[in-house]
Amino acid sequence: DTVMTQSPDSLAVSLGERATINCKSSQSILNSSNNKNYLAWYQQRPGQPPKLLIYWASMRESGVPDRFSGSGSGTDFTLTISSLQTEDVALYYCQQYYSSPSTFGQGTKLEIK
Amino acid sequence: EVQLVESGGGLVQPGGSLRLSCAGSGFTFSSYWMHWVRQAPGKGLVWVSRINSDGSSTTYADSVKGRFTISRDNAKNTLYLQMNSLRADDTAVYYCARGIGAATVFDYWGQGTLVTVSS
Repeated sequence: DTVMTQSPDSLAVSLGERATINCKSSQSILNSSNNKNYLAWYQQRPGQPPKLLIYWASMRESGVPDRFSGSGSGTDFTLTISSLQTEDVALYYCQQYYSSPSTFGQGTKLEIK
Repeated sequence: EVQLVESGGGLVQPGGSLRLSCAGSGFTFSSYWMHWVRQAPGKGLVWVSRINSDGSSTTYADSVKGRFTISRDNAKNTLYLQMNSLRADDTAVYYCARGIGAATVFDYWGQGTLVTVSS
């Protein structure tokens, strides 16, 4: 199985500042035939189901604020929140869907400093 | 508005069975691949199973293969997960989720149903 490793495990950022979460896959999740990275990011607030933020590594889901962006290719990926808001306090998960079984990172807890 | 509503969770003894349901509305249910994803208390997300739009193809995580069966009734807009030979490590919130095309990426999730396996 492809192992997804997120860093850091937890992160505290001041309101209005940038938050960066990293995700590394144990093997490449880039499909060279279509040049797509099979990587998604989800946000999970306490007591809620996950919410899709980003897929194909950088495509923002409809309705997701543009302060959320995804980047990276191959095995190294980043979720960036450009200006942290109070409602962004949550757990964040990356997920690869290139190979079966699809696997998730362990999660990164984002808090306000 | 897309809605997914799970039901059927509860307390079951080890070795027992349970069937989860997920009712979809607000979209053409029969056009979408559907999935089950679980989350043990305080833990991360684990993909469990998927079924294609017409129900002819299914896939399972190794941890549930041979014990769980995913199915769907497109006439009733409902997804199912039959869980047999349940073990303590199956204890989790089970979410149904809608896939984006054939990709195992999920654009809508239900609120989840808790399954507790304990004697």
